[in-house]
Amino acid sequence: DGGITQSPKYLFRKEGQNVTLSCEQNLNHDAMYWYRQDPGQGLRLIYYSQIVNDFQKGDIAEGYSVSREKKESFPLTVTSAQKNPTAFYLCASGDRGIRQPQHFGDGTRLSIL
Amino acid sequence: AQKVTQAQTEISVVEKEDVTLDCVYETRDTTYYLFWYKQPPSGELVFLIRRNSFDEQNEISGRYSWNFQKSTSSFNFTITASQVVDSAVYFCALNKASNTGKLIFGQGTTLQVKP
Repeated sequence: DGGITQSPKYLFRKEGQNVTLSCEQNLNHDAMYWYRQDPGQGLRLIYYSQIVNDFQKGDIAEGYSVSREKKESFPLTVTSAQKNPTAFYLCASGDRGIRQPQHFGDGTRLSIL
Repeated sequence: AQKVTQAQTEISVVEKEDVTLDCVYETRDTTYYLFWYKQPPSGELVFLIRRNSFDEQNEISGRYSWNFQKSTSSFNFTITASQVVDSAVYFCALNKASNTGKLIFGQGTTLQVKP
């Protein structure tokens, strides 16, 4: 089936640890996005990539890093510099252009141990 | 400045009632797109509808309908004869050319439909 796969579904981070969230899509979309969702705050954009080997910071990029080495994959690393990482993380992909809807994965819930 | 406001944080209705979710947006661009997404308890956002700034026709899809009014910068969503399965968080979002494809989301409205 075509879609976006995020893994793991639940993730726990220890103090000072970096963790990586996986996002894979088989929809042949050029653009991919990472959002953070906190209760009552909607979705905030962390990073986005319009094309392989290129990505831009979103509104809340501090403490996060990404790579886009393959069209299908856009992993997000939550570094130890992110002091409040507990949130629900959503990955999305879409064709380029403002008229294109984004398609979302099931999300990863990250908590601090 | 661009902004999307969903003033209703939570709405609770009884099954079969009609319910309208409000969305007000701000943008100075003349070309933009508005979207509605549904987030069920499972977590993923599901795309419902897209509307461009030049098309003010209302749209109906089954029990769902959307009312776009540029004069009031609103893009409201109505569910007719609500069902328990409609219980979810609903997001309105804006995309415009100068944003290079970045969606601006509202805060979301949590809809609870009670049996």
